[in-house]
Amino acid sequence: AQKVTQAQTEISVVEKEDVTLDCVYETRDTTYYLFWYKQPPSGELVFLIRRNSFDEQNEISGRYSWNFQKSTSSFNFTITASQVVDSAVYFCALLTGSARQLTFGSGTQLTVLP
Amino acid sequence: GAGVSQSPRYKVAKRGQDVALRCDPISGHVSLFWYQQALGQGPEFLTYFQNEAQLDKSGLPSDRFFAERPEGSVSTLKIQRTQQEDSAVYLCASSPRIAGGYNEQFFGPGTRLTVL
Repeated sequence: AQKVTQAQTEISVVEKEDVTLDCVYETRDTTYYLFWYKQPPSGELVFLIRRNSFDEQNEISGRYSWNFQKSTSSFNFTITASQVVDSAVYFCALLTGSARQLTFGSGTQLTVLP
Repeated sequence: GAGVSQSPRYKVAKRGQDVALRCDPISGHVSLFWYQQALGQGPEFLTYFQNEAQLDKSGLPSDRFFAERPEGSVSTLKIQRTQQEDSAVYLCASSPRIAGGYNEQFFGPGTRLTVL
C-alpha cells in the first residue's frame, strides 16, 4: 500500500521568507514518482514539480526547489522569497509504478502574510 | 478553454436526491480520473477510465456511486440517494496517455457537493 504524510497542517510566514514543506512517503515499489501540487482557493489543483525514484538529483526551478532523499523517504519542497500569491494548500502526491492513480497527503495550508 | 472543465461548480442536494456531475477533459486525453476530496483532506481516488472503458472503480465508496464515459470524452459521475457523508469536492483529472508511470494529471476546478 502507498501512503503520503504531510505532518505540517498549517504554516504561516511573512513575505520574502523562505518556507519548506515536508513530505514523507511509503511504498514497496521500486519505481515511483513524486509530485507537488498547489491548490489555491479557486480549488483547481495546479501541478508544480515531479521527480522519479531513479533520480535523486535535487533541482531549483525559479523560486521552487526540492530535496528528494530516498534514504529517509522524504520529498521536501521549498519556496524561496515567498509571496502573498503563494498562499494556498500544497499537496504532496505519490504515483507508484504498479498504480494508475495518485495517492495524496492531507495537505499543508501555507499562508504568506504581507 | 484548454483545461479540464467541470459542471456544476456547486451543487446543493437534499438527502436522498440523485445528482450528476459532469467532467469535460482536455481534448484528446486518453485517461480520465475522478477523485473525492473531503474538507481538509487530500483527494482520494474514485475511478479511472481509459477512453470509454472503466478499468478501475475500486475507490467508489458504495454502489450508489456510478461513473460513465460512453464516448471516451465527457464523463459523468452519478450519485444516487445522496447522503450527508457524500458532501465533498469531486475532482476530475485527465491525462494524455494511458495511466501509469510518469504521466502528469491535469485537474479541473472541482464540483463542491453539499448534501443537506
